Amino acid sequence: ETGVTQTPRHLVMGMTNKKSLKCEQHLGHNAMYWYKQSAKKPLELMFVYSLEERVENNSVPSRFSPECPNSSHLFLHLHTLQPEDSALYLCASSPGQGSYGYTFGSGTRLTVV
Amino acid sequence: GENVEQHPSTLSVQEGDSAVIKCTYSDSASNYFPWYKQELGKRPQLIIDIRSNVGEKKDQRIAVTLNKTAKHFSLHITETQPEDSAVYFCAASLGQAGTALIFGKGTTLSVSS
Repeated sequence: ETGVTQTPRHLVMGMTNKKSLKCEQHLGHNAMYWYKQSAKKPLELMFVYSLEERVENNSVPSRFSPECPNSSHLFLHLHTLQPEDSALYLCASSPGQGSYGYTFGSGTRLTVV
Repeated sequence: GENVEQHPSTLSVQEGDSAVIKCTYSDSASNYFPWYKQELGKRPQLIIDIRSNVGEKKDQRIAVTLNKTAKHFSLHITETQPEDSAVYFCAASLGQAGTALIFGKGTTLSVSS
């Protein structure tokens, strides 16, 4: 157990469904992130939540909606997704405040049908 | 925005040879440069990192060099072994005060025995 837990591990959803991905960290970190990993592409930063900032990648469609109720939990709400949204969604956490050591979760493999 | 270029995309070496992966970054304010290793079906794991006030860092068979003037950094793996086969990602911090990382596209390293 690395301290960052993502659920579910696999998700298949239709384009009209609404689902949520969950990430939880037990490391006492102050920053959490969502990344999208597609084949042949770099890890794409989607959202950042930390004590210092909230960053949103402007290229992320509004059908992805993050929620960070506290420093230990991060959600990614999904609605009306497209087949091209199929990817591995990775959550990470870091201490924040100038310390970058990322710990990644195992990811959620999302398939949109 | 911030961009990280990584080369080559694939690299095949014989066991015992050295492997070098190179990255360039665009944001001169970046001050932290980690390297991650991702084995098939697993999460990315930090293998080595370097901060902008250091030119080189070594940890057993792996080393990272940084040229801030040229805005490029490299990963060197010596005496490669089959278990080094994986995808390697470089990353650069987003700005100087932020906590987020921007990743390169990855290099698939194959070490044959």
